[in-house]
Amino acid sequence: AQSVAQPEDQVNVAEGNPLTVKCTYSVSGNPYLFWYVQYPNRGLQFLLKYITGDNLVKGSYGFEAEFNKSQTSFHLKKPSALVSDSALYFCAVGQGTGSARQLTFGSGTQLTVLP
Amino acid sequence: SAVISQKPSRDICQRGTSLTIQCQVDSQVTMMFWYRQQPGQSLTLIATANQGSEATYESGFVIDKFPISRPNLTFSTLTVSNMSPEDSSIYLCSVGSRGTSGFSTDTQYFGPGTRLTVL
Repeated sequence: AQSVAQPEDQVNVAEGNPLTVKCTYSVSGNPYLFWYVQYPNRGLQFLLKYITGDNLVKGSYGFEAEFNKSQTSFHLKKPSALVSDSALYFCAVGQGTGSARQLTFGSGTQLTVLP
Repeated sequence: SAVISQKPSRDICQRGTSLTIQCQVDSQVTMMFWYRQQPGQSLTLIATANQGSEATYESGFVIDKFPISRPNLTFSTLTVSNMSPEDSSIYLCSVGSRGTSGFSTDTQYFGPGTRLTVL
């Protein structure tokens, strides 16, 4: 069975500082890894994914994530945080080939960027 | 870009009644999924909605409680039957594609969700 852990329920960072939201995963075989963001009263928005290739993945709104196979991690990062980045972030892992497969989501991390 | 919509966006229902949630995509997609997000919780997959066949349900979810329809490649419904307060959640549909119709391969895209409150 596949699983995802987001060890921090809450991350606070000052505006302009770098941010990191942590994610580790457990899966047999090659993982498909995703980050989504949820703003209040909104659905999930896709940020970025790792399927194969370069370990550093760049996504929407200046976010990036680094796939680390040895540490089974896929941490989300941004060099300079904005107040508007404050939201709930979900890491997810999927398995399979071809079109989208079932996703298992982490518990979510609430990011607050302080002005 | 492709658009995913859900109706209703929110509803307040009485115990014992049923609610049908609609998910509409403005282009054809291969895969459609239904998730539940209970208050303060993460997302849990309810079922995969297969076009032209029965939905595939995850452990803990049954067809009698959550009947699903998928009449074509752009539309699906989820019914929450005989509701109780424990069914109060956000219900989200998501879609996946083989790379056509404006969606990237291997990625699920989510609708805005339906916020359900059961009294």
